[in-house]
Amino acid sequence: SQQGEEDPQALSIQEGENATMNCSYKTSINNLQWYRQNSGRGLVHLILIRSNEREKHSGRLRVTLDTSKKSSSLLITASRAADTASYFCATWNSGSARQLTFGSGTQLTVLP
Amino acid sequence: DTGVSQNPRHKITKRGQNVTFRCDPISEHNRLYWYRQTLGQGPEFLTYFQNEAQLEKSRLLSDRFSAERPKGSFSTLEIQRTEQGDSAMYLCASSPGGAVNSPLHFGNGTRLTVT
Repeated sequence: SQQGEEDPQALSIQEGENATMNCSYKTSINNLQWYRQNSGRGLVHLILIRSNEREKHSGRLRVTLDTSKKSSSLLITASRAADTASYFCATWNSGSARQLTFGSGTQLTVLP
Repeated sequence: DTGVSQNPRHKITKRGQNVTFRCDPISEHNRLYWYRQTLGQGPEFLTYFQNEAQLEKSRLLSDRFSAERPKGSFSTLEIQRTEQGDSAMYLCASSPGGAVNSPLHFGNGTRLTVT
C-alpha cells in the first residue's frame, strides 16, 4: 500500500510560474524524500528533509515538513518546460532502512 | 558511467513464459532494492538485499517471483509463468551502507509487456 499520497494528481502551469505539490503520509518518519521521474525513466532523488527540520531549500526547490500534520510540500519556483515530470514523495518508517514507500505522484506539466 | 544499470530495457513475452531481469548497482553500494511500477502509480516495493542476504520481501512478491544477489554484487529478478498482470516497469535501486535511510539511486528500469 502507498504510504504517501500526493496532491494534486496532475498539475499544469505556464513556464515561469511556481508549482506546489503536497504529500501526506501515515506513520512516524525519520525523513521524507522527494523524487522526480521523467517519462519512461528511473527516479532521481531531489531532496531529503529530516523529521527535525521544517524547511529546506535546494536551488529552485523548497520543501516543507509538518510532522504534526504528517504532511510535506514541494515548491518549484520559476518553473521551466524541462521540469515536466512526475514527482513523488517517499518515506522510510522510523528506524527502517528496508522499505522506502512512495506515494502515487503528481504529474507536472509545464507549458512553454 | 557509474549509475545503476538494468537490462534489458524492454522485454515482451508471451503469457506463461519465464523472464529474468538483471540489475548492476553502483559499485560498493551494499543495499539493493527491486520495485514494480504500473502506469500512473508510484513504485511499489518488492524486495531488499543487504549484500547477498535478502532481508525483506513484499507480499506482492508471489512464489512466481524470485530474486537473487549472488556475491553481493549484481542482482537478478526472475518471474516464472508470467501473467498479463505482471506487465509493469521493474525498477532496481541501490544505496550505500552506513548511513541510515539514505536516498536511493535508481536505474532506468526494465519494461515488461506480457501478451
